[in-house]
Amino acid sequence: DGGITQSPKYLFRKEGQNVTLSCEQNLNHDAMYWYRQDPGQGLRLIYYSQIVNDFQKGDIAEGYSVSREKKESFPLTVTSAQKNPTAFYLCASSFRLAATYNEQFFGPGTRLTVL
Amino acid sequence: AQSVSQHNHHVILSEAASLELGCNYSYGGTVNLFWYVQYPGQHLQLLLKYFSGDPLVKGIKGFEAEFIKSKFSFNLRKPSVQWSDTAEYFCAVNYGGSQGNLIFGKGTKLSVKP
Repeated sequence: DGGITQSPKYLFRKEGQNVTLSCEQNLNHDAMYWYRQDPGQGLRLIYYSQIVNDFQKGDIAEGYSVSREKKESFPLTVTSAQKNPTAFYLCASSFRLAATYNEQFFGPGTRLTVL
Repeated sequence: AQSVSQHNHHVILSEAASLELGCNYSYGGTVNLFWYVQYPGQHLQLLLKYFSGDPLVKGIKGFEAEFIKSKFSFNLRKPSVQWSDTAEYFCAVNYGGSQGNLIFGKGTKLSVKP
């Protein structure tokens, strides 16, 4: 059953701690993305990757880091430098980054709450 | 700056009413256009998309959208909504040359009263 999995579904973190959100896809997609969703704000792009060992900052990358060591995995680390980390985080993938193929498929999301 | 505007934050309709959700984008060049839907507790999923050709696009569950290039618009329509259409709807645009990235609107919540 192909798709995108994100874990955990809910995550609680104390202020000052780093936390890593998992994203795995078995769709054989080259491109992967991380978005942040806040009420009334839509989706905002944090980081994206078009190929293994390569990634670029999106619109709101400050306080976040990523890695892309395997095609199927794109973990996101929310660092203590992120000033307002409580949000819903969505991972997505697409066949390729080129415009013609950029229909994106989304995972179920991780809701991060900083206590 | 490239942007996407969705005119309505929250729309409330009765079942069988007609729906039109507005979406406008800011750029005049080549664009690819999408509507995504997020049902309560479910994944964000693609409703329909426009890349080229016929500007009237049909999607899943009876939804359609019309691309009007002169108005920079891609409005979503459904002739008769059902309670199960209650969800949040997002318009998204890929601007040519933006390396495949999507710019999302802020979303419109649709509540359908039974």
